[in-house]
Amino acid sequence: GAVVSQHPSRVICKSGTSVKIECRSLDFQATTMFWYRQFPKQSLMLMATSNEGSKATYEQGVEKDKFLINHASLTLSTLTVTSAHPEDSSFYICSARQGDNQPQHFGDGTRLSIL
Amino acid sequence: QKEVEQDPGPLSVPEGAIVSLNCTYSNSAFQYFMWYRQYSRKGPELLMYTYSSGNKEDGRFTAQVDKSSKYISLFIRDSQPSDSATYLCAMSPLTQGGSEKLVFGKGTKLTVNP
Repeated sequence: GAVVSQHPSRVICKSGTSVKIECRSLDFQATTMFWYRQFPKQSLMLMATSNEGSKATYEQGVEKDKFLINHASLTLSTLTVTSAHPEDSSFYICSARQGDNQPQHFGDGTRLSIL
Repeated sequence: QKEVEQDPGPLSVPEGAIVSLNCTYSNSAFQYFMWYRQYSRKGPELLMYTYSSGNKEDGRFTAQVDKSSKYISLFIRDSQPSDSATYLCAMSPLTQGGSEKLVFGKGTKLTVNP
């Protein structure tokens, strides 16, 4: 149980393109979803926390107009990287949690490369 | 001092060895502790989680929490080459309303040699 699916797993695109990443909880309803970014050989950096039906809460230094998050249902959250540039190239990982003080379950990540 | 300290390794052991992975923390509000395993180019996979001091066992894995010393451990018995991965500790306070965030260690890279 507790499977989180993230799609796509790999994106290569030109600078200026907008990229949408989907995160789905497959076998549970996720009251809260999280988006992380991970640089090589480093730990996860929280970008934003998203609750179903409300606006995402962004961490300090994360541009909300750059990284658009939509959590339209209890099983789906999307992250859109708008007008992506090479510095946005990274490994983006989502997680989902069933309720308060429940463990986060992670997707397999999306490797984004902006040329 | 960082909130969570974890030795990044790398740690290399022979197959069958007992592995001990550790994290220390400074925030006494942390009440909820997790261990994740992350293979290269994959998302973290939840291995163990616990709210209380003491030991919790699941197969070859044992999670140990000592809140008085602010120290947590993950033991892997009979280690296998397939256990080769980066192990992340994570922790948070317990709160109402789901506002708590996980604080991660940097991860320990483990290699189990056949």
